[in-house]
Amino acid sequence: KNQVEQSPQSLIILEGKNCTLQCNYTVSPFSNLRWYKQDTGRGPVSLTIMTFSENTKSNGRYTATLDADTKQSSLHITASQLSDSASYICVVRSGGYNKLIFGAGTRLAVHP
Amino acid sequence: DTGVSQDPRHKITKRGQNVTFRCDPISEHNRLYWYRQTLGQGPEFLTYFQNEAQLEKSRLLSDRFSAERPKGSFSTLEIQRTEQGDSAMYLCASSEGLAGYEQYFGPGTRLTVT
Repeated sequence: KNQVEQSPQSLIILEGKNCTLQCNYTVSPFSNLRWYKQDTGRGPVSLTIMTFSENTKSNGRYTATLDADTKQSSLHITASQLSDSASYICVVRSGGYNKLIFGAGTRLAVHP
Repeated sequence: DTGVSQDPRHKITKRGQNVTFRCDPISEHNRLYWYRQTLGQGPEFLTYFQNEAQLEKSRLLSDRFSAERPKGSFSTLEIQRTEQGDSAMYLCASSEGLAGYEQYFGPGTRLTVT
C-alpha cells in the first residue's frame, strides 16, 4: 500500500531555533517528493519539490533532503519565525497523471 | 487574484441536506483536482478532471458525491443527503499541461454537517 508517514505529529519550538521534520514513504512508482506548508484554514502551498536524483534542495530558510534508497526525506527549518507556525505536509507523486499521496503532516508551533 | 478560488469558504448544513461547492482554477490550467481533508490528516484524493473529462474517481467518492466541470473551466462538487462524516475541508487544486506540473491549491471549503 502506498503510504507517507511523518514524524513528529506535532512540535513546539522557540523562535529562532532550528528544527527538522521527518518523512518516510512507501510509494511505488516514485516520481517526486514535495513539502507543503499549510496555514490553518488555508490550502497547502508548495515549499520544495525533489526528484529521484536530487539529494538536497533549499528555499530560503527551508532545506529539504531526500534519500531515495532509504525512502526518507527531511525538512530542516533554520532560525524559526512565528510565521513558520503551520502544518508541514510531505507529499509523494506516483503515477502519470499527477496523483499525489499526502502524509498527515507535522503541526509546528513557534513560540516567542 | 489569479490563484485558485473556492466558494463558499464555510458551509454549515443539517444532515440530509444537499450542498454544492464551486472551484475556479487558474485560467490556463486544464487539470483540476478535488481533495478532502479531515482534521489532523493530509488531503485525500477524490477526483480529477482533464478539461471537462472526469478521468478518475477515488473509492472515497460515494454515490452521494458528484463532480462536474461542464466547460473545462470551473468545477462543482455536490454532496447529496449529507452525513456527519462528510464534515471536512474540501480542497480544489489545478495544474497545467502534462503530469508533474505543480498543483496549486485553493483555500478550501470547510463543511460542517450538524
